[in-house]
Amino acid sequence: GAGVSQSPSNKVTEKGKDVELRCDPISGHTALYWYRQSLGQGLEFLIYFQGNSAPDKSGLPSDRFSAERTGGSVSTLTIQRTQQEDSAVYLCASSLVPNTEAFFGQGTRLTVV
Amino acid sequence: DAKTTQPTSMDCAEGRAANLPCNHSTISGNEYVYWYRQIHSQGPQYIIHGLKNNETNEMASLIITEDRKSSTLILPHATLRDTAVYYCIVTGSGGYQKVTFGTGTKLQVIP
Repeated sequence: GAGVSQSPSNKVTEKGKDVELRCDPISGHTALYWYRQSLGQGLEFLIYFQGNSAPDKSGLPSDRFSAERTGGSVSTLTIQRTQQEDSAVYLCASSLVPNTEAFFGQGTRLTVV
Repeated sequence: DAKTTQPTSMDCAEGRAANLPCNHSTISGNEYVYWYRQIHSQGPQYIIHGLKNNETNEMASLIITEDRKSSTLILPHATLRDTAVYYCIVTGSGGYQKVTFGTGTKLQVIP
């Protein structure tokens, strides 16, 4: 596609349920990032994928969060046993190689009720 | 990763140059300075980046001090569409953007 695509755009879930957020990066981009943005805050780095290397998970806030990237393309961020503090906009970005501009998707707004 | 400090908010008159400062006093030699902006409810948009030299593109100019401890983003002729939150980040070694963005500077362009 022309840009980074994220789905769903909005997700409302009950506390304790698991959710999966999807990111389709720009074709050919080797680097993929996930960020979380709480209301009125900056972007919090979560996880980074680069090619076939092991992902950098240093930003994941707890073991309830995990992500994978299949075939070097589509990525899925999974949050298990969601909590109300998980409510935020989850943003995905990709770049051709690490030190080039990152293109962001429109984000998934997650609301845990 | 180096951290950055930016003013919380700034105003700029339409048509005037907007100069947005950023302090990154602990930056290391191989860490890059990137600028992004986020217009309400949209994903961030890349503006410009640099390592040591000043940079210019169709959107903006980036001025980096000689000691690299601070930089300034310049929008030469601000328009109302430039109203946004502007984020200055310092990447990890090699330009990896696996860093947390601060709260940025809210730029309000005034008619």
